[in-house]
Amino acid sequence: KAGVTQTPRYLIKTRGQQVTLSCSPISGHRSVSWYQQTPGQGLQFLFEYFSETQRNKGNFPGRFSGRQFSNSRSEMNVSTLELGDSALYLCASSLTRGYNEQFFGPGTRLTVL
Amino acid sequence: AQKITQTQPGMFVQEKEAVTLDCTYDTSDPSYGLFWYKQPSSGEMIFLIYQGSYDQQNATEGRYSLNFQKARKSANLVISASQLGDSAMYFCAMREGEDDKIIFGKGTRLHILP
Repeated sequence: KAGVTQTPRYLIKTRGQQVTLSCSPISGHRSVSWYQQTPGQGLQFLFEYFSETQRNKGNFPGRFSGRQFSNSRSEMNVSTLELGDSALYLCASSLTRGYNEQFFGPGTRLTVL
Repeated sequence: AQKITQTQPGMFVQEKEAVTLDCTYDTSDPSYGLFWYKQPSSGEMIFLIYQGSYDQQNATEGRYSLNFQKARKSANLVISASQLGDSAMYFCAMREGEDDKIIFGKGTRLHILP
C-alpha cells in the first residue's frame, strides 16, 4: 500500500509570491491534516479536512488556506509569502476523524527568500 | 501554558541500553489520546505508539512501551535494547477528545552511541 505522498518535496519562493502544496493520502483514508514544522515553533497544526470540509483550524493567518477534493487529496495554499513561512510542511492522513494512527508524508520543504 | 512538555532536549545513550524519554501533558478533558512519533533526519514522522486515556494497560509495540501514569499526567516512552537506528528526534503528542488536531511537544533528540 502506498504511503502518503507530498509534492513537491522542495520549493524555493520569494517574498510576496504564493505557493500550493499537494498531499495524496493513503488509499481509503479520508482525513487529512496539515502541520508546519520550524526550528523555533516546532510542529504546529494548520488544519484538518474530512469529506471535503475543513473540520479544524490552527492559529494561523488567513494567508494559509486549504481544500480537499472528492478523492481525499488535499492542497494547501499560502499567499503573500513571508520569510517566516520557511518551514517543513507535513501532511498526515488517517482512516477517519479521531482515528488512533496518523500517517505522515515526507513533507515539503519550503524556503522563502 | 504548554500542553505537552518534553524536558530533555537531547540524550546520549549507549547502544543496547534501555531509554526513557519523558513527556508530561496538561488537559482537563477526560478523553484524550497520547502519541509518540519518531522523526529521523530524513524528516518523515513515524508513528510509534498510542495510549488512550481510558486504556487500562500501558501500550506496547515491539521494543516500544508507554509508561502511562494518569494521575501524574505523564506518558514516558521506553525503548528497550536501543539500536543505532533509534537515533532520531522523538515527539510526544496529544489529541483531546476526538478532535483531530494533535498538539506536539518540542521533542527530544536521541543519540545512540556505538
